[in-house]
Amino acid sequence: SQQGEEDPQALSIQEGENATMNCSYKTSINNLQWYRQNSGRGLVHLILIRSNEREKHSGRLRVTLDTSKKSSSLLITASRAADTASYFCATSTNAGKSTFGDGTTLTVKP
Amino acid sequence: DTEVTQTPKHLVMGMTNKKSLKCEQHMGHRAMYWYKQKAKKPPELMFVYSYEKLSINESVPSRFSPECPNSSLLNLHLHALQPEDSALYLCASSQFDREKQFFGPGTRLTVL
Repeated sequence: SQQGEEDPQALSIQEGENATMNCSYKTSINNLQWYRQNSGRGLVHLILIRSNEREKHSGRLRVTLDTSKKSSSLLITASRAADTASYFCATSTNAGKSTFGDGTTLTVKP
Repeated sequence: DTEVTQTPKHLVMGMTNKKSLKCEQHMGHRAMYWYKQKAKKPPELMFVYSYEKLSINESVPSRFSPECPNSSLLNLHLHALQPEDSALYLCASSQFDREKQFFGPGTRLTVL
């Protein structure tokens, strides 16, 4: 299976609620990144967290990284309909190889 | 200019055709990437160029041939593809490898 596995595969929430997605990976990493993709188009970078960091914030996004458990989580607070998209974690190794997780499809209902 | 452009947006080709995908960025990034993405699947890394040199080839079949003519351009030459190669091909760039990547909109390829 791929380096990154995400859960849940799909998440449906109401506008204003928080959304949490989790990512697990298997090998040592240099950093972990989260991306958003709308309807099979190009991906948009959201946030990067390095292997020596534990938590990072950017606007309504909060990312945590636990290298001992090889896992990360993405929290989107106060969700909006415009947040509806697929979200992928991507690990980057010291050799420069990127591996994407299977993704979480988020639906935010107005 | 903070975008990655890809041409063409759509491409339909036969199994005997030769075609090329083109990717361009003018952000001064020194790493460029090709990914393949099938429907409802994550992007899969194909190639990485760092400082115009091929640094990673993820065991991609030789019918896909990458080329990096200069630091702003990345091509993917296609020859004798199979129907299962139909996918969205995404190009990305980053300031250096391992850093955050900027993605183009992709080329949707259909092989008949």
